[in-house]
Amino acid sequence: AQKITQTQPGMFVQEKEAVTLDCTYDTSDPSYGLFWYKQPSSGEMIFLIYQGSYDQQNATEGRYSLNFQKARKSANLVISASQLGDSAMYFCAILNTGNQFYFGTGTSLTVIP
Amino acid sequence: DTAVSQTPKYLVTQMGNDKSIKCEQNLGHDTMYWYKQDSKKFLKIMFSYNNKELIINETVPNRFSPKSPDKAHLNLHINSLELGDSAVYFCASSLGAGISEAFFGQGTRLTVV
Repeated sequence: AQKITQTQPGMFVQEKEAVTLDCTYDTSDPSYGLFWYKQPSSGEMIFLIYQGSYDQQNATEGRYSLNFQKARKSANLVISASQLGDSAMYFCAILNTGNQFYFGTGTSLTVIP
Repeated sequence: DTAVSQTPKYLVTQMGNDKSIKCEQNLGHDTMYWYKQDSKKFLKIMFSYNNKELIINETVPNRFSPKSPDKAHLNLHINSLELGDSAVYFCASSLGAGISEAFFGQGTRLTVV
């Protein structure tokens, strides 16, 4: 079974600062993927970034980077230079070898002007 | 041109009714999913469907049934609706091979009264 844990129900960050959203996981699959999604108040699920378990380098996509520490089973999302539009729910997810995505409980991020 | 589209966007119905939510993807993906997002924003996988193989989350009541007429469609049928079925239901699709993201529909907000 897969388990994703997001321990921060809510986070605040000052505009233009960086913020780290935590995600830890548990899986017995030898190969898996870790994903981050953003859900703004409008409700749609927006894919941000992913990391394969065998990828050596941490993934980056613009202002998003994924701090992957395989031994610690963590896949934290780092958002640099926060913008007001970053205020949203953020979900970490794991993709298992059965092609199923399991999501964490989410972190609500508020960017303060 | 919407990649994953689901209809309707809103659905209000009485307890005991039977309803369907339709989902279509034009991405050529092999795997489709249904997720339920409750009032606490928790995203729970209900079904995944890949190459005619259906994987059902064991916690899903058998009043819920997915129906896939072809690879591009995965509809959700719900019988004898209950108040607790009120939630946002998301359809999603993914390539189904390797590590790649899931694309989500815009969600269907189901309200059972």
